[in-house]
Amino acid sequence: DAKTTQPNSMESNEEEPVHLPCNHSTISGTDYIHWYRQLPSQGPEYVIHGLTSNVNNRMASLAIAEDRKSSTLILHRATLRDAAVYYCILRDTGNQFYFGTGTSLTVIP
Amino acid sequence: DTEVTQTPKHLVMGMTNKKSLKCEQHMGHRAMYWYKQKAKKPPELMFVYSYEKLSINESVPSRFSPECPNSSLLNLHLHALQPEDSALYLCASSHLAGGPYNEQFFGPGTRLTVL
Repeated sequence: DAKTTQPNSMESNEEEPVHLPCNHSTISGTDYIHWYRQLPSQGPEYVIHGLTSNVNNRMASLAIAEDRKSSTLILHRATLRDAAVYYCILRDTGNQFYFGTGTSLTVIP
Repeated sequence: DTEVTQTPKHLVMGMTNKKSLKCEQHMGHRAMYWYKQKAKKPPELMFVYSYEKLSINESVPSRFSPECPNSSLLNLHLHALQPEDSALYLCASSHLAGGPYNEQFFGPGTRLTVL
């Protein structure tokens, strides 16, 4: 699987937007971009995924660069409950995926 | 029911013990997974089951023995573990065996301590 690169940590003020970047310069044409997050003392949970077009759901938005070598997860209004480790993952046609190191998001009240 | 349950939540075992971790889902998922997560590290894939058959073993030592007795249950049998095997063990499941767009649902994990 292609690798992803994320900043180790980021901070955001509560109720402000957060942009979490991910680089995946070796992405292949069939790789889907997935984002998961892991809150403290919990298993990871799905946030969003996309292939080429930008995507929105109730949790977040995913902006994908035109060349697909990078993507950004956008949380529109950060809350204290959004403090977590956010993982950007590339998935190909197989069952499995492999987590990168992730970004630890701190939300400041 | 969109939940993956794992039991026990915590487990302490000696290096000579035999124990088992259990994972259950009732979402009709036919792919199930075991991950190992050390503190402050990302989860690492261990095993993948597709339609109750082992499809991926990520070169996991034989002291970890997975079992999928039916489509809802996944076990991880532990024997002669080492202290460095202490970690959070996560189970996950997903619709369909394969498909890069399928969401994985994770359980809360079993916190294992090997003395």
